[in-house]
Amino acid sequence: NAGVTQTPKFQVLKTGQSMTLQCAQDMNHEYMSWYRQDPGMGLRLIHYSVGAGITDQGEVPNGYNVSRSTTEDFPLRLLSAAPSQTSVYFCASRSLIGSGNTIYFGEGSWLTVV
Amino acid sequence: AQSVTQPDIHITVSEGASLELRCNYSYGATPYLFWYVQSPGQGLQLLLKYFSGDTLVQGIKGFEAEFKRSQSSFNLRKPSVHWSDAAEYFCAVDTGTASKLTFGTGTRLQVTL
Repeated sequence: NAGVTQTPKFQVLKTGQSMTLQCAQDMNHEYMSWYRQDPGMGLRLIHYSVGAGITDQGEVPNGYNVSRSTTEDFPLRLLSAAPSQTSVYFCASRSLIGSGNTIYFGEGSWLTVV
Repeated sequence: AQSVTQPDIHITVSEGASLELRCNYSYGATPYLFWYVQSPGQGLQLLLKYFSGDTLVQGIKGFEAEFKRSQSSFNLRKPSVHWSDAAEYFCAVDTGTASKLTFGTGTRLQVTL
C-alpha cells in the first residue's frame, strides 16, 4: 500500500524561484492537507481540501497556493520562494466518513531556500 | 479555538525507566486526541488515539495514554523505555471538523543507556 506519497524528498531553491511539491494518496480520502514543521513550532496547517475542486486556507497560507483537480492529488505551489519557507513539509489525508478518523502522513519534503 | 500544550520540550530518561509525556488541551467539549511519534528524518506515525469510552487507551510499541477530562490532559506513558523510543512525540487534538487537527509543539525524548 502506497498511502500518502510526497515528492521530492529534498529540494534546494533560490530565493524567488517557484516549485511544486507533489502529494498523492491512493486511499480515496476526501480530505487532504499540507503542514509545515519548524523547530519548536510543531506542525502548522497551510492549506486543506475536503474534496476535488474545494480548497481552503489553514493557519499559515501566505506564500502558498494549492489546487485539487482530482481526489488523489493535492500539489502545493510556492510561486516565489523565500528563506522563511525553509521547512519540512508534510502532506496528509484522511477519510471524512465517520468521525475522528486517523490522519495519514507522507514521509515529508525537506525544502531549503537560499 | 482549540490549542495543545506540551510543556516539556526535551526529556531524557534511562533505558528501562518509566516515561510520561504531558499533553494538555484547550477546547470546549471533548475532542478526539492523538499521539504521534516522529523519528529523525521520518514522517509521523500514529501511536494511539482516543475518541470515547475507556479513558485509558493502548497503542503500539507498548505505549498507553490516559484521558482525564477534569484536567484536560492526555498524557502518554510507557512502563519501560527502550533506546529505540528516542524520537519526537506530538500530541494532537481534533475537534471533529475536517480542518481542525491542531498539534502541540512536540517533546523530544532522549534515552540514555
